[in-house]
Amino acid sequence: GIQVEQSPPDLILQEGANSTLRCNFSDSVNNLQWFHQNPWGQLINLFYIPSGTKQNGRLSATTVATERYSLLYISSSQTTDSGVYFCAVESWGGSQGNLIFGKGTKLSVKP
Amino acid sequence: DAMVIQNPRYQVTQFGKPVTLSCSQTLNHNVMYWYQQKSSQAPKLLFHYYDKDFNNEADTPDNFQSRRPNTSFCFLDIRSPGLGDAAMYLCATSREGMGQETQYFGPGTRLLVL
Repeated sequence: GIQVEQSPPDLILQEGANSTLRCNFSDSVNNLQWFHQNPWGQLINLFYIPSGTKQNGRLSATTVATERYSLLYISSSQTTDSGVYFCAVESWGGSQGNLIFGKGTKLSVKP
Repeated sequence: DAMVIQNPRYQVTQFGKPVTLSCSQTLNHNVMYWYQQKSSQAPKLLFHYYDKDFNNEADTPDNFQSRRPNTSFCFLDIRSPGLGDAAMYLCATSREGMGQETQYFGPGTRLLVL
């Protein structure tokens, strides 16, 4: 099945810093989502982005489908950005609706 | 606001005692999913309903069952919970389930097995 790798696994930032999180995947995808899991466990949708670039406030994401990677940019980080960021994909040849998650990037933003 | 609701947020059960987790949605989506997330791991799909059609993932243990009595509600039944079933259980929905669409997640139910 499709493999999803996220890097870095852990990231510590000072408040106000910028960061880039990466997601590599091993096969063509028809769905790619970025999620933020807050300390209470809820998965919050950030982007649905199987290709192209999107921006939402301080966050933006780019997926280059032909090269099988996606990037999540966080600018001017805040302590509330702390948590785990997951990339999840659904491959063209996979089970419909089965999002395969990467292991996540754990982000800690220090005041 | 339209949303995915899970109750309870925390559930404690005893080893071997059946337990049911519930999920409801006001999005009127056709598809409802159940994911299991163990500590410090990624969520993993257990099964999903496309309308009334049940779709089980190949490696989901038989101990896990699901019911969807209507569009809005979906239940996860664990027949004989073991210590290894302690996890966060996440419910999600999507509109059509044909791929290429966003899945929306509820807040999760954290299950503790004593």
